[in-house]
Amino acid sequence: EAQVTQNPRYLITVTGKKLTVTCSQNMNHEYMSWYRQDPGLGLRQIYYSMNVEVTDKGDVPEGYKVSRKEKRNFPLILESPSPNQTSLYFCASRWTGAYNEQFFGPGTRLTVL
Amino acid sequence: RKEVEQDPGPFNVPEGATVAFNCTYSNSASQSFFWYRQDCRKEPKLLMSVYSSGNEDGRFTAQLNRASQYISLLIRDSKLSDSATYLCVVPNDYKLSFGAGTTVTVRA
Repeated sequence: EAQVTQNPRYLITVTGKKLTVTCSQNMNHEYMSWYRQDPGLGLRQIYYSMNVEVTDKGDVPEGYKVSRKEKRNFPLILESPSPNQTSLYFCASRWTGAYNEQFFGPGTRLTVL
Repeated sequence: RKEVEQDPGPFNVPEGATVAFNCTYSNSASQSFFWYRQDCRKEPKLLMSVYSSGNEDGRFTAQLNRASQYISLLIRDSKLSDSATYLCVVPNDYKLSFGAGTTVTVRA
């Protein structure tokens, strides 16, 4: 089954404790990205990757890091989480070209205390 | 002005009713658009793509007005299962801009 997976699905942590959210897709898509979703603000892009070893900032990259060492994986790293990073996070992938359908992972609900 | 703006609703309609709502976009160069559906904080899923003047898929009709820079979504004969948040999505080069969503609740 074609899918995007994320782990963990739910996470409660404390300020400053480094965490990683994994993302994996099995569709061989070149393009992958991370979004956060907050009430009333819609989906905002954090980082994206056009292909292996190619990553770039989205609209709200502060406080986040990513890496793309393999085509299928695109982990999101919070080196020192803060309460304002409490949010719902989605990983997504698609073929290159914004006019292609984008597939989303199931989401990770993160709470930073 | 936001890149994509939507009426947040909620639109509360009875089963069988028709409901319609709009999305306005700021980038006049955008050529095609998407409507995604999101159920209760689950992942968004593609509902339909909108090219040229519009698109129809069963009970769903999307129309595009380039002169006024808005896209509309119309749902006919609403079902309980249509209750969701509908996200307007505007591609721009490699990037997608998302509206905050319009919430529709269909009641029995």
